[in-house]
Amino acid sequence: DAEITQSPRHKITETGRQVTLACHQTWNHNNMFWYRQDLGHGLRLIHYSYGVHDTNKGEVSDGYSVSRSNTEDLPLTLESAASSQTSVYFCASSESLSGELFFGEGSRLTVL
Amino acid sequence: EDQVTQSPEALRLQEGESSSLNCSYTVSGLRGLFWYRQDPGKGPEFLFTLYSAGEEKEKERLKATLTKKESFLHITAPKPEDSATYLCAVRRRNTPLVFGKGTRLSVIA
Repeated sequence: DAEITQSPRHKITETGRQVTLACHQTWNHNNMFWYRQDLGHGLRLIHYSYGVHDTNKGEVSDGYSVSRSNTEDLPLTLESAASSQTSVYFCASSESLSGELFFGEGSRLTVL
Repeated sequence: EDQVTQSPEALRLQEGESSSLNCSYTVSGLRGLFWYRQDPGKGPEFLFTLYSAGEEKEKERLKATLTKKESFLHITAPKPEDSATYLCAVRRRNTPLVFGKGTRLSVIA
């Protein structure tokens, strides 16, 4: 079965360190998204991509970057982790621009 | 700016006690309203998409409806396994989904 996987599922890091969260999907979807989920804020869009070499900023993109070198992967990088970036991060993909999103299981990041 | 407001924030029901969750939205040029279910420690799971006012969709004990300003998720005779957070999201043309904060539903046996 096709799926979307995130790694690591849990990570603890220190302020100022670079962190990369991986997202890999086997549906061959062109559209991929990163959201963060925090109590009181719901899901907020960080970055998204509509295809290889395409990346776009979302609502809360400061301090994050993505790159899309192939269809299957959209890694999310925190260049210098901050405590405010402690959150649960979800990757998602969709087949079409109008279709539903399929989510991964999430990556819980703690920045100390 | 697109806005999605869900109410109530939390809802506690007895098993079999039917109720509704509300999602009100402000978006120009709606291209879809989506409902998701999220279990603790898991990613959101797609339930329904509604595209036009008057549209309804059903799945087991859940029925979603849409008007020009809001959507309702009706839960008929809920069971404890329906306990989850229910998320509403909207999309304008060719833009990513914008989510509400969710309603946390607890169904007590």
